[in-house]
Amino acid sequence: QVQLQESGPGLVKSSGTLSLTCAVTGDSIVSTNWWSWVRQPPGKGLEWIGEIYHSGKTNYNPSLRSRAIISVDKSKNHFSLNLDSVTAADTAVYYCAREPGFSGITWLDPWGQGALVTVSS
Amino acid sequence: DIQMTQSPSSLSASVGDRVTITCRANHSISSYLNWYQQKPGKAPTLLIYVASRFQSGVPSRFSGSGSGTDFTLTISSLQPEDFATYYCQQSYITPYTFGQGTKVEMK
Repeated sequence: QVQLQESGPGLVKSSGTLSLTCAVTGDSIVSTNWWSWVRQPPGKGLEWIGEIYHSGKTNYNPSLRSRAIISVDKSKNHFSLNLDSVTAADTAVYYCAREPGFSGITWLDPWGQGALVTVSS
Repeated sequence: DIQMTQSPSSLSASVGDRVTITCRANHSISSYLNWYQQKPGKAPTLLIYVASRFQSGVPSRFSGSGSGTDFTLTISSLQPEDFATYYCQQSYITPYTFGQGTKVEMK
């Protein structure tokens, strides 16, 4: 059974850096899957942040204006998210998810339980 | 970015009702459309992928259809555990985008 678990500080100061890690169990980070980060501000909808392949190739949501960096650690079977210059608008529950798929078609499954990160002034 | 628009944003229904949620893309996305269910305080879970394929373990009362720009999620007979928020998501091109969600509430 594949499981993902987010971890990291729940409180980050404004203008600082948000750092989260997603530990993967039950699957290898070097499998044929991509791995994604998604966030959800309190009471709002879902926003895709970006994705990474084990080779290090990444794709990001331009809405984050290059503040996001996603990396992978094959030795620890986990991937990480760093988001710079955070503001209150970055307060959200952050989810990591696996992207299975075939022939370029993909979906998000499973998801981690989510990590609430609050940006404080 | 491809914009995904769901309708309605919310609906009230009773157990046993047939519920239909629509999702429209502002650009053709072929069948690159997925549906998720989210209950309060929980992570989303995958219901339907590639527009109409069932995720393992999802009850058969859920079904998906559509291609191109117009898609539908149908719950044939609403059950108490189905009261939740539903999101569509396109995976045709990055940035992947979600609909704004449809909250299914008890009438």
